[in-house]
Amino acid sequence: GAGVSQSPSNKVTEKGKDVELRCDPISGHTALYWYRQSLGQGLEFLIYFQGNSAPDKSGLPSDRFSAERTGGSVSTLTIQRTQQEDSAVYLCASSLVGGSRGTEAFFGQGTRLTVV
Amino acid sequence: GENVEQHPSTLSVQEGDSAVIKCTYSDSASNYFPWYKQELGKRPQLIIDIRSNVGEKKDQRIAVTLNKTAKHFSLHITETQPEDSAVYFCAARGPNFNKFYFGSGTKLNVKP
Repeated sequence: GAGVSQSPSNKVTEKGKDVELRCDPISGHTALYWYRQSLGQGLEFLIYFQGNSAPDKSGLPSDRFSAERTGGSVSTLTIQRTQQEDSAVYLCASSLVGGSRGTEAFFGQGTRLTVV
Repeated sequence: GENVEQHPSTLSVQEGDSAVIKCTYSDSASNYFPWYKQELGKRPQLIIDIRSNVGEKKDQRIAVTLNKTAKHFSLHITETQPEDSAVYFCAARGPNFNKFYFGSGTKLNVKP
């Protein structure tokens, strides 16, 4: 596709349920990032994938959060036993890393998660 | 790791005035500094960027300056217009093409 695609756009779930958020990065982009943005707040780093390297999980807020990236492309962010404080917009971004420069991060439109 | 601080958190200017947003970073090895604009309900989008081998870059009404010695960079918007109203994020990319570290954002309000 032309840009980073995320699905679903909106997700309402009951407290305690598990959710999966999907990100399709720009084709050929080796770096993929997940950020969380609460209402009116900044971009909270969650996890970073780069090629075949071990992911940087230093931003995951608890062990209820996990993410994987299959085949170096599509990524899934999973939140288990959702809590109300998980409600936020989850943004995925990808960038090209390589050569001497790399590129900026391109963002998807986000998934708005509401836990009720 | 890298730490990016952004000021001010909110900025209100009159249409036609200039706006300046400042960021500092901690890791002297950071080498790439993009600025993103996020309109309400939309995704962040790149508006301008600067690399560590350049001190200033300009694109029409927006410009970015970088002071590597002091480890700070700034976004300058001249002749502001109501459509410039948005949240602006600065970012620094760590060494070895590592992840992006974002500032906390500045909400700019341009009053007509």
